[in-house]
Amino acid sequence: DGGITQSPKYLFRKEGQNVTLSCEQNLNHDAMYWYRQDPGQGLRLIYYSQIVNDFQKGDIAEGYSVSREKKESFPLTVTSAQKNPTAFYLCASSTAGTGKTQYFGPGTRLLVL
Amino acid sequence: AQTVTQSQPEMSVQEAETVTLSCTYDTSESDYYLFWYKQPPSRQMILVIRQEAYKQQNATENRFSVNFQKAAKSFSLKISDSQLGDAAMYFCAYRLPQGGSEKLVFGKGTKLTVNP
Repeated sequence: DGGITQSPKYLFRKEGQNVTLSCEQNLNHDAMYWYRQDPGQGLRLIYYSQIVNDFQKGDIAEGYSVSREKKESFPLTVTSAQKNPTAFYLCASSTAGTGKTQYFGPGTRLLVL
Repeated sequence: AQTVTQSQPEMSVQEAETVTLSCTYDTSESDYYLFWYKQPPSRQMILVIRQEAYKQQNATENRFSVNFQKAAKSFSLKISDSQLGDAAMYFCAYRLPQGGSEKLVFGKGTKLTVNP
C-alpha cells in the first residue's frame, strides 16, 4: 500500500543525546515536511524539503537537523541543543505544484527521560 | 504573517445531528488554499476537505461541507448526520501557493464530541 511511515512510534531521549526520527514515503512525492505538535496546539513547521539534497528551515528549526539524500526519506534528528523536545512529531509529504495537499504519517511521540 | 483562529476549543453534537466548526484566518494574499484536517485519538492527521480561494463554490465531501466566505476570511466546516467516528480534534489550516515556504499554518483545533 502507498503511504507514509514513521518510526519508531515512541522514542525516549536521555539528556545530552541526539535521536533520529524516521520518515519514509512511497507516494513518489517530491516535497516532505516535519511538524511538531504540542498539547493544545496546532502543528508548527520544523523543516521542509522540496527536492532531494535541498531543505529549508521552518518556524522552529533550532535544535533540529535533517537530510534528504533520497526522495523517499526525510529523517529528522533532534539534537541535544533542543531543550524542550517532548512533543508529537508528524511527517508529511506532497506532490510538487501550487497548493498541493499534504498527507501525514502516523507520527512519533518523543519523551525525555 | 498569516494566522488561523479556531474560536471553539470544544464542541459537542448528538449522533445524526449537524454541527458547524468555525475558522477564521488573516492574510493579505488573494490566492491561497484552505484545509480541514481531522485528528482522531490515533493522532494521525487525516484530510477532510480542501478549498481553493479562487473558487467561489463551496467544497463538499459526502457529509462534510464548507462555508467559505472570502471577504470575511471565514472557512467553517459543517458535518451533517454526525457519526460516532467523527469524534476527533479538527484543525483548520491555510497554505500559501507555490513560491512561499509551502507550509501549512494551523489553528489550535476544536475537539468534537459526538454523543450517542
